[in-house]
Amino acid sequence: DVKVTQSSRYLVKRTGEKVFLECVQDMDHENMFWYRQDPGLGLRLIYFSYDVKMKEKGDIPEGYSVSREKKERFSLILESASTNQTSMYLCASSRGFSANTGELFFGEGSRLTVL
Amino acid sequence: AQKVTQAQTEISVVEKEDVTLDCVYETRDTTYYLFWYKQPPSGELVFLIRRNSFDEQNEISGRYSWNFQKSTSSFNFTITASQVVDSAVYFCALRVMNRDDKIIFGKGTRLHILP
Repeated sequence: DVKVTQSSRYLVKRTGEKVFLECVQDMDHENMFWYRQDPGLGLRLIYFSYDVKMKEKGDIPEGYSVSREKKERFSLILESASTNQTSMYLCASSRGFSANTGELFFGEGSRLTVL
Repeated sequence: AQKVTQAQTEISVVEKEDVTLDCVYETRDTTYYLFWYKQPPSGELVFLIRRNSFDEQNEISGRYSWNFQKSTSSFNFTITASQVVDSAVYFCALRVMNRDDKIIFGKGTRLHILP
């Protein structure tokens, strides 16, 4: 079974803490994405990556950074968590552009609460 | 600019009724893909269907069918004889082929199938 695995389903952190959300895919996909999902706002793209060590800002990158040191792993980092970052975070992957019709494969999500 | 609108925030129907989820998209590009994803209570978005802009044929898969009409920029999704297991949030999405690999999601429609 192909899979996108997110390291934590539920996290509770305090304001100001540094938070790492990890995502691993086993499909050898070139592209990886981080979205956040909030009620009434749908899915909003935070960052994405086309290749190792490459990253592109999405629609709402402020307050976040990412790291992609290996092809299969894409990490989302909240340098100093704030309460407005309480959300569901979804990681996804897809094949590279030349072979890509756009289908995304999603992880189960990480629900982050910042107190 | 690209945009996906799902005007129905929440729908409730009784089991065995048919239900249609609306999706309207905006793009000036002529080459694009449209998608539907399902997000059950477990949280993981599951790909349902992909349609490219040159293929306006409707598609049927079991109880699911999709009606793509370029003239109205719509890609509606119908569930026939709904079942409780169809309860989920459904997202419509758009990918434009001459852009990067970003996929734009609608805000989703939450579907409740009542027993």
